[in-house]
Amino acid sequence: GQQLNQSPQSMFIQEGEDVSMNCTSSSIFNTWLWYKQDPGEGPVLLIALYKAGELTSNGRLTAQFGITRKDSFLNISASIPSDVGIYFCAGQDDNYGQNFVFGPGTRLSVLP
Amino acid sequence: DVKVTQSSRYLVKRTGEKVFLECVQDMDHENMFWYRQDPGLGLRLIYFSYDVKMKEKGDIPEGYSVSREKKERFSLILESASTNQTSMYLCASSFKLGTANTEAFFGQGTRLTVV
Repeated sequence: GQQLNQSPQSMFIQEGEDVSMNCTSSSIFNTWLWYKQDPGEGPVLLIALYKAGELTSNGRLTAQFGITRKDSFLNISASIPSDVGIYFCAGQDDNYGQNFVFGPGTRLSVLP
Repeated sequence: DVKVTQSSRYLVKRTGEKVFLECVQDMDHENMFWYRQDPGLGLRLIYFSYDVKMKEKGDIPEGYSVSREKKERFSLILESASTNQTSMYLCASSFKLGTANTEAFFGQGTRLTVV
């Protein structure tokens, strides 16, 4: 099945730095979702976006639904050690029925 | 608080055994999904269900079957476990597309090892 593109694949940052990652697709989506997965755990929903251009925050996290509906980005401000994990984006659209399309993930490491 | 609960965190089974993975959600979601997650391969959809007793094959259904007898419960069955089914299995649920707030919620995962 189709997969979304996420970049970067992995990143190493210093504690306190801001982080930016993005998710792109060749087709449009009506919903963009961002998840975080800790090792050995299931993904946890961070932010859900339902409208093109929408900018939504959840604490230190901010995500935007791209105007073209083909992309989304996630920013994390002032990173802390517990931000370590894999961040997944997911898209949903009528063209894929009830299913979700997932990106491969961005692995974030935070150095103290 | 929304809840998707998978029956086991870790399972070790022998080759050829029939294996049942159970998933229960308490959010009255219509849709339920089973994925497997392997390093470098991302999340791959095995089966999903959009209503009781309904099921649809995902991208990798071979060697698996599912059962949805009640709205809140979705079971994944490995008919005859093989070592290449060693993986992390994730259950998820969501409201049906076209309703509000259709994001998926995941269970904590089941790490299955087939020896």
